[in-house]
Formats: sequence, C-alpha cells, structure tokens
Amino acid sequence: SYVLTQPPSVSVAPGQTARMTCGESNIGSKSVQWYQQKPGQAPMLVVSDNSDRPSGIPERFSGSNSGNTATLTISRVEAGDEADYYCQVWDTSSDFALFGGGTKLTVL
Amino acid sequence: QVHLVESGGGVVQPGRSLRLSCAASGFTFSTYGIHWVRQAPGKGLEWVAVIWYDGSNIYYADSVRGRFTISRDNPRYTLYLQMNSLRAEDTAVYYCARASSPTTVTRGGMDVWGPGTTVTVSS
Repeated sequence: SYVLTQPPSVSVAPGQTARMTCGESNIGSKSVQWYQQKPGQAPMLVVSDNSDRPSGIPERFSGSNSGNTATLTISRVEAGDEADYYCQVWDTSSDFALFGGGTKLTVL
Repeated sequence: QVHLVESGGGVVQPGRSLRLSCAASGFTFSTYGIHWVRQAPGKGLEWVAVIWYDGSNIYYADSVRGRFTISRDNPRYTLYLQMNSLRAEDTAVYYCARASSPTTVTRGGMDVWGPGTTVTVSS
C-alpha cells in the first residue's frame, strides 16, 4: 500500500532555509499538498498541487515534486514557523487521501 | 468568511454510537466536497472519509469502513459522520475539511478546516 515517508524532525536556525521531504515511489506523478499544524490548532494548507501557495501564505513557503520525493522549502525561517508539517496526496488507484507521518520543525 | 464548525463529540463507551456534525458557512456548500480527518492524541493526521459535493461519491479509510457513514444535507449546509461500533482506537480530534477545488476532491487538498471536536471512547 502507499506510504508517505517524512523525517520525524528537522531543526534550523532563524533566517536559514528548512527543507522537509515526503518520499514514496513515483510521488512525482501525484499532486502533493503540505499542511502546517501548530499545537492545539487545526492544520492549515500552505502548499497545494505541489507548488501553489494559497492566498495569505508567505512567499517564503515553496514546494516541489519530482521522481520519488516531494519537498517543502521554507526560506528565511522565523520562530513562528515552528510547527508540525504534513504532506498529503490523493491515491487515485484506491480512492483515498493519505497523509505522511509528519515532520516537526524546530527553530533553534 | 468561510467557516466550518464541528460538534457532537464527547465521551462514549466502546461499542456505542455517536454522530458528529459539521456546520458550514460563507461559501456555496453544495459545490464542494468535504472530508473528515482525525488525529489521535499525540499522533499524526489520519484521513477518515470524503463525500463529493453532490453526495454522488463516498470513500472511506479501511479503518472505519463498515462502521462509519458520511452524509450531507446541502440545503442545511451541514455534513455528518455517523460513527457506530466505536473502539478505543477511534479516540481522536475529528476535523471536517473542505476540498479546495470545487466539484473535485482528487486535487488541491483541503483548504478550510474546522477547529475540531473531540471523541473519547472509554469505558
């Protein structure tokens, strides 16, 4: 079955660039979404369709998807970016939505 | 403003039933698919079910198929999740979330989320 693999944690200093990956065989053929979730809050969509930013999401957030890996990149990281980040796809072969296990971003 | 608000959560014994509701406002409810997504304490997000904008297609996660039923009342701008035969592992915060693209759920993800309602299954 389809499994999206995310590293459990990523740490970065303020002002640096954070990259979080989401891996699965041939994920490049799928539409990948990324969500940010802060403690006690609902998730928030930050990237859709691999690289589109919803209204209100800063340009510092960007996404890419190719081959077996999708990547969420946050440039000029700020303390307020500290959160859990989840990737998500729709599996067209089985008709269900799938989330990765999530990556906790720590801003040092 | 676009809003989703869940209700109906609570504490329930194993084997019993519970019905969650999700009230929508600020957009044309009948043109968007809606998902249920849950999150067990300290765990990641788990997709539960989705219903197409017109109710024509419904899909479930394997973990809930046969026990949960998703439905919608478009004139009332309300989504439901009927949960039967509840188990301890169903304990979670349940979110409803709007599919970001009108008339499809297979692209674009979920762009509007409710604050969630907590379901605890315990004897």
